[in-house]
Amino acid sequence: QVQLQESGPGLVKPSETLSLSCTVSGGSMSSYYWAWIRQPPGKGLEWIGYIYSTVSTTYHPSLKSRVTISVDTSKNQFSLRLSSVTAADTAVYYCARDSSRGYGDFDYWGQGTLVTVSS
Amino acid sequence: QSALTQPASVSGSPGQSITISCTGTSSDVGGYKYVSWYQQHPGKAPKLMIYEVTNRPSGVSNRFSGSKSGNTASLTISGLQAEDESNYYCSSYTTSSTLIFGGGTKLTVL
Repeated sequence: QVQLQESGPGLVKPSETLSLSCTVSGGSMSSYYWAWIRQPPGKGLEWIGYIYSTVSTTYHPSLKSRVTISVDTSKNQFSLRLSSVTAADTAVYYCARDSSRGYGDFDYWGQGTLVTVSS
Repeated sequence: QSALTQPASVSGSPGQSITISCTGTSSDVGGYKYVSWYQQHPGKAPKLMIYEVTNRPSGVSNRFSGSKSGNTASLTISGLQAEDESNYYCSSYTTSSTLIFGGGTKLTVL
């Protein structure tokens, strides 16, 4: 059974960089797209971006200038970095597996981690 | 990219059927067969209920079905049960090779 687990700081100061990792267990990372999705408190889901293999990434147009997603297959982990954060970046951040080669069939999700941007 | 349009809320009585719509454009919903639906209970991660417009993952009840006409996709839940009360989100692939979600619909089982 594939399991995903997010980890990282729950509090980030404005203008700093948010960094999260997602550890994948119970399966290989090969041949799948891996995504980050967030949900501001009380609001809907927002796709942030995904990574395939070690070099192919696609990002949400409005976040593209601030986002980096990377993968370390040796550790079975992929990571999110979001720079210059503001209060608007406060959200529950989920990592997820896309089983459909990037077309949006997220069949496995982490439990989510709340990141609050505040001084 | 703007979120796909979903009704904020729908409701139905146990045993009834309800339909949730998800409206986009020809650049997303209307242009591809890659529309998914997710169920999300409060405080929980979303769960994939429908993928590629009409397909159900293993383990999802056949009371859940999906369809699409033009730029609008729909999720139908038949034989409503109390445990179906939840938030539902649609998503679609886009011409920009990105993904977009709907704003979400809260389903209340009366």
